[in-house]
Amino acid sequence: RKEVEQDPGPFNVPEGATVAFNCTYSNSASQSFFWYRQDCRKEPKLLMSVYSSGNEDGRFTAQLNRASQYISLLIRDSKLSDSATYLCVVKPPGGTSYGKLTFGQGTILTVHP
Amino acid sequence: GAGVSQSPSNKVTEKGKDVELRCDPISGHTALYWYRQSLGQGLEFLIYFQGNSAPDKSGLPSDRFSAERTGGSVSTLTIQRTQQEDSAVYLCASRGLAGPVVEQYFGPGTRLTVT
Repeated sequence: RKEVEQDPGPFNVPEGATVAFNCTYSNSASQSFFWYRQDCRKEPKLLMSVYSSGNEDGRFTAQLNRASQYISLLIRDSKLSDSATYLCVVKPPGGTSYGKLTFGQGTILTVHP
Repeated sequence: GAGVSQSPSNKVTEKGKDVELRCDPISGHTALYWYRQSLGQGLEFLIYFQGNSAPDKSGLPSDRFSAERTGGSVSTLTIQRTQQEDSAVYLCASRGLAGPVVEQYFGPGTRLTVT
């Protein structure tokens, strides 16, 4: 089983739609969770951290379910500019806070007019 | 300010040749990471450096891969006797002091093609 698993998609949605991605992780002791965004042929950039209580940043909402070991990202009122690959990222247990991150393979989102 | 830079941006090499990829992290960042991303795949961790500590090499796929970081700044990833399966985008990232967000800043990557 992969450490971090995502549905690769692609998800094709119209502008204004709400879309949700899920991600599961295998190590229950994992410490920190994030969503990164990667535009085509560009480097990944942090989108948001995922907190235990859930957190929201504008149209984006992230949730963590430790019992089921999954993370979700909800995008409301999708924009064309949201088209990208969304990477689920987990910091495994152990090591320092500088330790490596484990990336999922990404979920491709295409928002069309 | 300047971000993470990598060179070359593209490298085409023949199978069996050695290559060196360079990463200049953000000034002052103490942690530096190398990942690779094959077509349609997620990022695969290779190695990370943290200050003067011994690097975490647990992700290096074979002994043909090595990396060093001189003076706590610039890092070089070396691949010896390249194989076609080494073709990928090699991404470097750096991170500074701990803060409310654990964020690694990525460079634009080096696209390696082994023919």
